[in-house]
Amino acid sequence: ELKVEQNPLFLSMQEGKNYTIYCNYSTTSDRLYWYRQDPGKSLESLFVLLSNGAVKQEGRLMASLDTKARLSTLHITAAVHDLSATYFCAVGDNSGGSNYKLTFGKGTLLTVNP
Amino acid sequence: GAVVSQHPSRVICKSGTSVKIECRSLDFQATTMFWYRQFPKQSLMLMATSNEGSKATYEQGVEKDKFLINHASLTLSTLTVTSAHPEDSSFYICSARERTNTGELFFGEGSRLTVL
Repeated sequence: ELKVEQNPLFLSMQEGKNYTIYCNYSTTSDRLYWYRQDPGKSLESLFVLLSNGAVKQEGRLMASLDTKARLSTLHITAAVHDLSATYFCAVGDNSGGSNYKLTFGKGTLLTVNP
Repeated sequence: GAVVSQHPSRVICKSGTSVKIECRSLDFQATTMFWYRQFPKQSLMLMATSNEGSKATYEQGVEKDKFLINHASLTLSTLTVTSAHPEDSSFYICSARERTNTGELFFGEGSRLTVL
């Protein structure tokens, strides 16, 4: 059974600071996703990482994937208040055959303080 | 990106009634759709996977008779919560995967169900 662990679960940081959210998973997977969720809203896709060493950047967020370590990171650079949200990583699980599905981490609630 | 639409976005119903939630892929064909449930301040929990034209595959612990899923076409899947009770109150989110199987999933806006 695929397990996905995110940490930290809660992150309070000041504007302008840098921080990293970690996502570990237990079995081999060919893709990893990062999503953002604002309160009361659905998920917004941030990144899809498909290969070892993949790095993607969008604005102040950068995601990377190390499939050998089964680890993905979401790095936040010079945080701003607008980044406050819950961030989820999700790992592709093809163990069910044709029913490819995602297993989600518990999420990281990020609060950026002025 | 592709658009997945859910309806209704919010629904309030009385205990014992049934509620249907629709999930539509607006600009692509989705052979597979997924239904998730999210309780406040928790992660998404996969309830079931539905494939067009076949029976849904339910995750362990999810009652098939209570959460009826129909995926009658390549653009529409429905989730019916039967005989709803207050503990069924939750945020329900669907996602759809393109027929071309690019791997990317597109999420609906979510439906907040409140059972009184």
